[in-house]
Amino acid sequence: KQEVTQIPAALSVPEGENLVLNCSFTDSAIYNLQWFRQDPGKGLTSLLLIQSSQREQTSGRLNASLDKSSGRSTLYIAASQPGDSATYLCAVRGAGANNLFFGTGTRLTVIP
Amino acid sequence: GAGVSQTPSNKVTEKGKYVELRCDPISGHTALYWYRQSLGQGPEFLIYFQGTGAADDSGLPNDRFFAVRPEGSVSTLKIQRTERGDSAVYLCASSLDAGTDTQYFGPGTRLTVL
Repeated sequence: KQEVTQIPAALSVPEGENLVLNCSFTDSAIYNLQWFRQDPGKGLTSLLLIQSSQREQTSGRLNASLDKSSGRSTLYIAASQPGDSATYLCAVRGAGANNLFFGTGTRLTVIP
Repeated sequence: GAGVSQTPSNKVTEKGKYVELRCDPISGHTALYWYRQSLGQGPEFLIYFQGTGAADDSGLPNDRFFAVRPEGSVSTLKIQRTERGDSAVYLCASSLDAGTDTQYFGPGTRLTVL
């Protein structure tokens, strides 16, 4: 069974800093990998989706990379803002599957 | 347009009771997913519908859990003889079809079993 791990579990940074969130997965036979944001009491918002054939995706201040062979992905957030404070979840979709396997998330706090 | 909606937003029940949780997917989305998220954990897959049929129910923890989607739109997750361990946030997601990558999530139903 696919297992997804996210490190660190929590992170606190001052506003303006660049930061990296890490995600690792045990089975490299994936279809794609997604990064989500979850705010308290709310559902998940998709941030970036990387297909298995891609190395990275960018959206605004966010950049996600994928190294499928080593089972790793990173989410880079540039010039962090207090509004970035949320839990960030990594999820992989296995090849031939339709459901997502999620990590436990990284809770990010950006201090003004 | 409207996103995925779930009702109720919160449900408190007593151990042993029966509960139903409802999900309204985005109009036109044929694929629908249920996940369960316990405190401090990531969501865990429960069941996936393609149209009216359950294409994959391998994530349902036991036979107390059942889900239906009779007309290929709204889905109901049913839990019989609830236990305290069933307390979690139940999330619903939909996508345009099984081959479409992006799953759109609803806000979830927080279930508390006393």
